[in-house]
Amino acid sequence: DQQVKQNSPSLSVQEGRISILNCDYTNSMFDYFLWYKKYPAEGPTFLISISSIKDKNEDGRFTVFLNKSAKHLSLHIVPSQPGDSAVYFCAASGKEYGNKLVFGAGTILRVKS
Amino acid sequence: KAGVTQTPRYLIKTRGQQVTLSCSPISGHRSVSWYQQTPGQGLQFLFEYFSETQRNKGNFPGRFSGRQFSNSRSEMNVSTLELGDSALYLCASSLWGLTSTDTQYFGPGTRLTVL
Repeated sequence: DQQVKQNSPSLSVQEGRISILNCDYTNSMFDYFLWYKKYPAEGPTFLISISSIKDKNEDGRFTVFLNKSAKHLSLHIVPSQPGDSAVYFCAASGKEYGNKLVFGAGTILRVKS
Repeated sequence: KAGVTQTPRYLIKTRGQQVTLSCSPISGHRSVSWYQQTPGQGLQFLFEYFSETQRNKGNFPGRFSGRQFSNSRSEMNVSTLELGDSALYLCASSLWGLTSTDTQYFGPGTRLTVL
């Protein structure tokens, strides 16, 4: 049973436009959410995180939005650049869950120039 | 600071064999976590070691085991390999590990193929 779901396996966006990656979770005990980016032949690298006490966190071109009532979070990349092309993983954790990271299956983002 | 290193990067084994993978964390990090990545499944948590003790465990069979040494280096062992064990195995290190919201830094992974 997948507790963290990324329902879009892939997304294609034009350079300069906004990329929106979505993630849904089912476990209400999750209280910390993260996005990781992964290039081929490399390990995932941490991108941005958000605590459940917030609904938005921004870091440069990257913004994560959290909607707790809908158990939904999204990552916005504005403007998208070709170097953003990678696999993006959403992850969730919670103290009640031992702080283990539970990952989604990932979304492949392709930014076309 | 050097990043997380994993050896070997690629491995080919046959069913029934056993395998040992190694992970060296970032200097000063005491927590090492292991994950399995398979297509369509994302990353699944295997276990976490902190100060040579297994502190957290995921839902994997006992064929998957690990250990951590006093220098925080960690090894993961899989015995009696099955075809379904073919995956990318990632380790991640952090200062305090899963007791906090420390950022986890991942290594490049070991690609294991079981024939």
